[in-house]
Amino acid sequence: GAVVSQHPSWVICKSGTSVKIECRSLDFQATTMFWYRQFPKQSLMLMATSNEGSKATYEQGVEKDKFLINHASLTLSTLTVTSAHPEDSSFYICSVPSSGANVLTFGAGSRLTVL
Amino acid sequence: DAKTTQPTSMDCAEGRAANLPCNHSTISGNEYVYWYRQIHSQGPQYIIHGLKNNETNEMASLIITEDRKSSTLILPHATLRDTAVYYCIVRVYNAGNMLTFGGGTRLMVKP
Repeated sequence: GAVVSQHPSWVICKSGTSVKIECRSLDFQATTMFWYRQFPKQSLMLMATSNEGSKATYEQGVEKDKFLINHASLTLSTLTVTSAHPEDSSFYICSVPSSGANVLTFGAGSRLTVL
Repeated sequence: DAKTTQPTSMDCAEGRAANLPCNHSTISGNEYVYWYRQIHSQGPQYIIHGLKNNETNEMASLIITEDRKSSTLILPHATLRDTAVYYCIVRVYNAGNMLTFGGGTRLMVKP
């Protein structure tokens, strides 16, 4: 499967600031990437589908103006949490579909804490 | 995607086989069974998948019943590092499709 690098692994920020999380597909050109969010003791929830060269597709209830997604190249998608608030504190995970076995490879995740 | 039902939690002794069940009684003919696991504070990791035949790889074995309404993931010799949440997911085989995660089974491997 693909090799996925996600950065930063953890970040602490003040309320009202913006945080950018990067997801890189190191060995696979990904036209699509997925962004998930996971709150403590809960399962992963899909936030949005990142599409290379076009707008992201957001799941119901996810604010596209708050969670900005940019997928400018086949190897990089970024998620920016704008004007972060404590309720945005969560574990954000990206994933890349691999060809062949139809398997998703996930990044290590980024833990965001908003003070 | 078909809904799956898994036990919330299970314990297993280190060195013994861990058998994790999954019910997917509404699975359709073109849907595969996928298993992923998530070790604490990490991203999920693919384990194995299958359609109707039993499958085995270096991580685990997947046993799918003949009617395909349930399956079992087998970790033949569980280690402490296998402690994780295991997710059984059923979906159509289509490159690029996202995964929908349920609650999974929290497996605790004990010494």
